[in-house]
Amino acid sequence: GAVVSQHPSRVICKSGTSVKIECRSLDFQATTMFWYRQFPKKSLMLMATSNEGSKATYEQGVEKDKFLINHASLTLSTLTVTSAHPEDSSFYICSATGGTGSGTEAFFGQGTRLTVV
Amino acid sequence: GENVEQHPSTLSVQEGDSAVIKCTYSDSASNYFPWYKQELGKRPQLIIDIRSNVGEKKDQRIAVTLNKTAKHFSLHITETQPEDSAVYFCAASRGGNEKLTFGTGTRLTIIP
Repeated sequence: GAVVSQHPSRVICKSGTSVKIECRSLDFQATTMFWYRQFPKKSLMLMATSNEGSKATYEQGVEKDKFLINHASLTLSTLTVTSAHPEDSSFYICSATGGTGSGTEAFFGQGTRLTVV
Repeated sequence: GENVEQHPSTLSVQEGDSAVIKCTYSDSASNYFPWYKQELGKRPQLIIDIRSNVGEKKDQRIAVTLNKTAKHFSLHITETQPEDSAVYFCAASRGGNEKLTFGTGTRLTIIP
């Protein structure tokens, strides 16, 4: 299947700093990428949907100025957590569609565990 | 928007027995229903999916059934093995590049 690579896999940052997470589709052009947040023992909560070259669509309750999403190319989307605080600590995971003819199947990155101290 | 409910939240079965996880969805326009397996700290892995034009799909020990009228779909794992222990998520979408809405997950434990 198609491969999605997410980097970094783990990051620890100080409160007040910003962190950038990259999501790359390695062998296909991802027309759409999704960013999720997952708390321990909980489900994946969609944060935003991004399409290449256009602004991301954020889910209700997600602060777009805090979670900046850029989808500059068909193979790369980035999520920047700005002015991070301990409550932003979580597992962030991206997925991409476009790797199959129907564009339906979602391929997930390996996730990023963010710890804000 | 779409709402997906999943039951049970935890499930323990004896090795070799079958496991069944059920999901319901609310959006009648949803037509794509994947199931993911997630191990601790890892990415979700697609194990099987079904589209609305079929009622059942099987892949070795795993099968999924879909009842569009009742808006529910189920995952069936037969001859369970210890390596089947994980968290399983169902999801629904309208297909294409539309977003997936996930169920709340089922923690499956296979007892040796």
